[in-house]
Amino acid sequence: EVQLVESGGGLVQPGGSLRLSCSASGFTFSSYSMHWVRQAPGRGLEYVSTIRANGDDTFYAEAVKGRFTISRDNSNNTLYLQMTSVRPEDTAVYYCVRLANGDYWGRGSLVIVSS
Amino acid sequence: DIQMTQSPSSLSASVGDAVIITCRASQGIRKDLGWYQQTPGKAPKRLIYAASTLQSGVPSRFSATGSGTEFTLIISSLQPEDFATYYCLQHNSYPWTFGQGTTVE
Repeated sequence: EVQLVESGGGLVQPGGSLRLSCSASGFTFSSYSMHWVRQAPGRGLEYVSTIRANGDDTFYAEAVKGRFTISRDNSNNTLYLQMTSVRPEDTAVYYCVRLANGDYWGRGSLVIVSS
Repeated sequence: DIQMTQSPSSLSASVGDAVIITCRASQGIRKDLGWYQQTPGKAPKRLIYAASTLQSGVPSRFSATGSGTEFTLIISSLQPEDFATYYCLQHNSYPWTFGQGTTVE
């Protein structure tokens, strides 16, 4: 069974940093592109970032480009999102997602940016 | 970036009604589009991929058409569990983009 479990969310001050992790199991993690999608409270879904299976290519939404970094550790089946210079508008539930050969979402990790 | 314009933003419907939701892309995206359903407090669930292919396990009352810039999701006979918010997602080019969502209430 495919499982994606996010962790690392919490309260962070504006301008601060946070790293989200997503532990993957039940599939060959190193074979799939992985994505982060977020949802601010009461708002719609927003694409954040993608990393290819081998980690060589990464893509970002304009809203996070230059501040967030997506990475992966294929030996430990883990996806990361390093968030720096965070802003109140980054407050959201962050989902780890696999969309190839099926549709798999984690339960999400809540990030609150507030002083 | 490709913009996805989804309409309507909300609609009121009753059990048994047919519901139509549309997404328009700001440029051609072939059939690189999915439709997602989200209920409060839960992760989204994909209903349709490749613009018109039903995800395994999704009821046949859901269907979709379109290619290029115009896409449509149809619920043929609304069921109680279908009251939710629906989103389109284009994955033709990065950054991917979602429509603004349609709440069926």
